[in-house]
Amino acid sequence: GESVGLHLPTLSVQEGDNSIINCAYSNSASDYFIWYKQESGKGPQFIIDIRSNMDKRQGQRVTVLLNKTVKHLSLQIAATQPGDSAVYFCAESRGNYGQNFVFGPGTRLSVLP
Amino acid sequence: DSGVTQTPKHLITATGQRVTLRCSPRSGDLSVYWYQQSLDQGLQFLIQYYNGEERAKGNILERFSAQQFPDLHSELNLSSLELGDSALYFCASSPAGGSGANVLTFGAGSRLTVL
Repeated sequence: GESVGLHLPTLSVQEGDNSIINCAYSNSASDYFIWYKQESGKGPQFIIDIRSNMDKRQGQRVTVLLNKTVKHLSLQIAATQPGDSAVYFCAESRGNYGQNFVFGPGTRLSVLP
Repeated sequence: DSGVTQTPKHLITATGQRVTLRCSPRSGDLSVYWYQQSLDQGLQFLIQYYNGEERAKGNILERFSAQQFPDLHSELNLSSLELGDSALYFCASSPAGGSGANVLTFGAGSRLTVL
């Protein structure tokens, strides 16, 4: 069935380097995407979102890129810090009502000193 | 503090029992969502309520039920519990129930352990 998935289950980066977390989605009808960060023992926390009429959106140290042609979403974190260590989920919104978000399995980001 | 309150934070019970998880949405939010997160699993959507009415249903078992009350708080009832029901249960809220950009704000979760 249609689902949201992540290319890499784990990602280790050196502190100060840039991180790129990827996500593939299969429903071309999805029109809204969110990246969430989940630290151990906490609920998912909103990082950044993007609508399907955009291909790039920037926040503080984070950038989300959307490629609708290949149904691919990525999260770029600049100058990765130890506090960025967490599991990152992408989620797509589908359906006519509400925000029936479908979450991917998540990528664990480990920042190495 | 996200503004979404979930109780209890931890719950340990036995197979066959019934539990109720409670969620108070962020002030002003009308929609409440329930998600289940098993060990090393992603977030599985269970059900959504908007202003007291069921709006969307996901992979929610028949043994599970939920409701949203007039004061907008929601309860998730889990019955005839099985070992596999052990998981983190998250509640999220959002301002509205319609389509469009509408960020979900999550609570800290309720960890259920079924022995």
